[in-house]
Amino acid sequence: EPEVTQTPSHQVTQMGQEVILRCVPISNHLYFYWYRQILGQKVEFLVSFYNNEISEKSEIFDDQFSVERPDGSNFTLKIRSTKLEDSAMYFCASSGFPLDTQYFGPGTRLTVL
Amino acid sequence: SQQGEEDPQALSIQEGENATMNCSYKTSINNLQWYRQNSGRGLVHLILIRSNEREKHSGRLRVTLDTSKKSSSLLITASRAADTASYFCATDAENNDMRFGAGTRLTVKP
Repeated sequence: EPEVTQTPSHQVTQMGQEVILRCVPISNHLYFYWYRQILGQKVEFLVSFYNNEISEKSEIFDDQFSVERPDGSNFTLKIRSTKLEDSAMYFCASSGFPLDTQYFGPGTRLTVL
Repeated sequence: SQQGEEDPQALSIQEGENATMNCSYKTSINNLQWYRQNSGRGLVHLILIRSNEREKHSGRLRVTLDTSKKSSSLLITASRAADTASYFCATDAENNDMRFGAGTRLTVKP
């Protein structure tokens, strides 16, 4: 069964460093999403992406964040200058159609020291 | 912004019992989805119910949706220890992003 994959599974970085989290969505999906879950808290929407542009973003998704689909398979989330409060699990999701089921990857645990 | 809010926050039952979790939301939705998250792991999609549906079944799962009350319930019948996880409802809106509730932590004791 096709699945969303994410790499790395765990990323440790120093405050102020840039990180890139990678996702490979399900191959025939067209809609892509990033979510964040701070430890012990709820899953929060960050951004949705379709047709090579951001469809919607939340208030969390400030200028420190960017997303890109650099090739036909990867979908990346970049955090330019990480802060301690960026420590969280970051989940990528994809769906085939709007309002369709979103399938989640296993997540990347980001730890900012 | 609309968000699903689950209750109870935590639920502990014995294996074999049924578990019922509820979710409420604030504004109109197109779909409501339930996800499971095992500790420290990813989100697994369980079931999607559309706004024009009232009930849906999948194996031991039964989901109901009452759009007049803006609420949904997830029933797990004949629970197993492996059902121990956090369960989230997520509601979507016009732009297809989802809003998650805080989740219900279900513990099924063997």
